[in-house]
Amino acid sequence: QLQLQESGPGLVKPSETLSLTCTVSGGSISGTNYYWGWIRQPPGKGLEWIGSIYYSGSTYYSSSLKSRVTISVDTSKNQFSLKLSSVTAADTAVYYCARRAGWDWYFDLWGRGTLVTVSS
Amino acid sequence: QSALTQPRSVSGSPGQSVTISCTGTSSDVGGYNYVSWYQQHPGKAPKLIIYDVSKRPSGVPDRFSGSKSGNTASLTISGLQAEDEADYYCCSYAGSFTSVFGGGTKLTVL
Repeated sequence: QLQLQESGPGLVKPSETLSLTCTVSGGSISGTNYYWGWIRQPPGKGLEWIGSIYYSGSTYYSSSLKSRVTISVDTSKNQFSLKLSSVTAADTAVYYCARRAGWDWYFDLWGRGTLVTVSS
Repeated sequence: QSALTQPRSVSGSPGQSVTISCTGTSSDVGGYNYVSWYQQHPGKAPKLIIYDVSKRPSGVPDRFSGSKSGNTASLTISGLQAEDEADYYCCSYAGSFTSVFGGGTKLTVL
């Protein structure tokens, strides 16, 4: 059974770069028609799509975060990663990794999420 | 990519039906049949309950149904049960390989 698990520092200082990794277990990222994405949720607020990546490396980002976001994939480790630069307190959120079918537009599998707090 | 508009809260008694709306534009909800809905219980990850406007994944009760008219999509929950109390989010394809979520609706089962 495919599972996604986020990992990374729970505390990041303002102006620094937030880095998270999503490890996919129970199946392969490579050669499958799925996109792998990041979605975040500030405390007490709604969901925000950050971006997605295909195993080949094609990336798509939210226009509001595009200047600060980089999503990459490491097929040898069955992982994909998120980097968000120049963070502020507004970037404090639970960050989820999720899978989207390549032939459709819904997120059918989610990680449990990880809280990242931006604070000095 | 502005967030889709959902009511902040709705409520209903057990056994009743409730409908949650999700309003976007012709560039997202109105332009594609790629609206999905997610249920989120406190402290948990969202769970897909409707995709492609009205399709239900395996295991989701048929009490959950979806529809769309113009730029507004709707989620209807019939035969409300206590465990339906949760936050609900809509999501739509917004062109150029991007997605946009709604602001979320808190459902209270009275």
